Amino acid sequence: GDSVTQMEGPVTLSEEAFLTINCTYTATGYPSLFWYVQYPGEGLQLLLKATKADDKGSNKGFEATYRKETTSFHLEKGSVQVSDSAVYFCALLTSGTYKYIFGTGTRLKVLA
Amino acid sequence: DARVTQTPRHKVTEMGQEVTMRCQPILGHNTVFWYRQTMMQGLELLAYFRNRAPLDDSGMPKDRFSAEMPDATLATLKIQPSEPRDSAVYFCASGLAGQGGGNEQFFGPGTRLTVL
Repeated sequence: GDSVTQMEGPVTLSEEAFLTINCTYTATGYPSLFWYVQYPGEGLQLLLKATKADDKGSNKGFEATYRKETTSFHLEKGSVQVSDSAVYFCALLTSGTYKYIFGTGTRLKVLA
Repeated sequence: DARVTQTPRHKVTEMGQEVTMRCQPILGHNTVFWYRQTMMQGLELLAYFRNRAPLDDSGMPKDRFSAEMPDATLATLKIQPSEPRDSAVYFCASGLAGQGGGNEQFFGPGTRLTVL
């Protein structure tokens, strides 16, 4: 079945460091791919998405590119801030379904 | 600013008691999801609805959990009887299906349930 695998956390970085959170997927068909972010005490919210191969999603300085050849959707940010501390979830949505498959989440902690 | 609302935000109860959690999806959305989040299991999908009809509740323990949508503005998740292992944060999310891919889900703030 469809699945999402993301890197184990926690990830601890200093402010202004470069961030990569790896995400790979297994899916039949052509899924849409997402990154959601969960700040402490809140629900998840969409960070960015890509709906087809080679699309790049971007928002708030974060980017991820849909790579069909490597079945990956890695999240990157060039310079993290303390306010980016949160849990990040990679997810996929198979075409024709309404049910997301979420990864296990990666906790990011950014130190001042 | 439209958002999903959930009540109560926190609930502490004793084992064996009935618990009802409520969710108001964003007006106009036609899909509603219930998730459970724990440290051990992460985010689990319990059930989801489209146009108020249950499409999949395979993630839900059938003997004690039930989910309904009495109308388009209200979704409920009920646990009867509750057990300590049900302690978790329960999220409701809504979305608009049929947009041709890339369907965003909007999450509520969650109900933190503690069963003693």
